[in-house]
Amino acid sequence: GAVVSQHPSRVICKSGTSVKIECRSLDFQATTMFWYRQFPKQSLMLMATSNEGSKATYEQGVEKDKFLINHASLTLSTLTVTSAHPEDSSFYICSARDLTQRGAIEPPQETQYFGPGTRLLVL
Amino acid sequence: QKEVEQNSGPLSVPEGAIASLNCTYSDRGSQSFFWYRQYSGKSPELIMFIYSNGDKEDGRFTAQLNKASQYVSLLIRDSQPSDSATYLCAAPTGGGNKLTFGTGTQLKVEL
Repeated sequence: GAVVSQHPSRVICKSGTSVKIECRSLDFQATTMFWYRQFPKQSLMLMATSNEGSKATYEQGVEKDKFLINHASLTLSTLTVTSAHPEDSSFYICSARDLTQRGAIEPPQETQYFGPGTRLLVL
Repeated sequence: QKEVEQNSGPLSVPEGAIASLNCTYSDRGSQSFFWYRQYSGKSPELIMFIYSNGDKEDGRFTAQLNKASQYVSLLIRDSQPSDSATYLCAAPTGGGNKLTFGTGTQLKVEL
């Protein structure tokens, strides 16, 4: 259980184009989804928290107009990197929290299940 | 002070030995703690969580929590080369709305 998928797994695009990444919870409903970015040999960096039906909450320093997040349903969140540039090349990973675990301690409701990640290369 | 701190390593242990990974946290309000494993080039995967003081065992893995000292650890018994990865410690912050991850400890299990 608690499987999260991401699509695409890898994308190469030209500078200036926009790229959309999908994150889906396959066997559970996700109240909250999270988007992370990880540069080579660096730690996970939380970009934003996405709640179904409401606006995403962005971490300090993350441009909301550049990284558009839509959480249209309890099983799908999308991240769109607009006007991508080479410095946006990174490993983008989403995670999700299970709706049914709200208030639980086993596993804790804060448990996040990660997708396999999307590797973005902007030329 | 970082909210979740880990020694970045690398921590090298011989095959068959016990690997001990440590983590400290600053938010006394955190109630549950997580260990994730991340292989190179892959996304993190959940190994264990713990929310009670003491030890919690799952196969070769034992998580230890000491809330008074704000300390969490992960022991890996009979370490295997396949355990070589970066281990991330995480704790809820921001009122539990998100997890804060440590920078991770790289573990190398040598033949």
